[in-house]
Amino acid sequence: RKEVEQDPGPFNVPEGATVAFNCTYSNSASQSFFWYRQDCRKEPKLLMSVYSSGNEDGRFTAQLNRASQYISLLIRDSKLSDSATYLCVRGSNYQLIWGAGTKLIIKP
Amino acid sequence: NAGVTQTPKFQVLKTGQSMTLQCAQDMNHEYMSWYRQDPGMGLRLIHYSVGAGITDQGEVPNGYNVSRSTTEDFPLRLLSAAPSQTSVYFCASSYSGSPTDTQYFGPGTRLTVL
Repeated sequence: RKEVEQDPGPFNVPEGATVAFNCTYSNSASQSFFWYRQDCRKEPKLLMSVYSSGNEDGRFTAQLNRASQYISLLIRDSKLSDSATYLCVRGSNYQLIWGAGTKLIIKP
Repeated sequence: NAGVTQTPKFQVLKTGQSMTLQCAQDMNHEYMSWYRQDPGMGLRLIHYSVGAGITDQGEVPNGYNVSRSTTEDFPLRLLSAAPSQTSVYFCASSYSGSPTDTQYFGPGTRLTVL
């Protein structure tokens, strides 16, 4: 089993819709989690950190469920510019473990 | 403030050739790392460094060497290129290497080994 697993998609979503995707992890001792965004094989960029209490940044909400070992990302009122690959990342000590990403395509 | 820079952007090698991918950062970050990204896969850590003179192996270190003689530079050497090393390589840096630090990535080097 991969340490961090994501549905590769693609998720095809109409503009303005709400979309959510999950990421599961296998190491229960994992300390920190992140969502990164990557456009067309460019460098990844941090979208948001994920806290146990859940956190929100504008249209984006991230949640962590330690009991079931998954994190989620919810995007509300999706924009064309949200089209990208979303990478789930687990952090531990000096290493980050990356999921393969979920591709999101927002259609007009 | 250039952030993290990588050279070259593109490179084609023949099997058995050696080369060095350059990475530099001007943010005085202690932690630097190299990743490779293959189609359909997440980034995989090759090597990392927590400070000048200190390096350690990541998940996929075979076939690669690194050194960290200065805080700013962290070159990645391919000793004898193989087609399996065809990939996109990203260099990243952060303040201390703590998982909560923001990672800053370079633009990547696309390497093809024939």
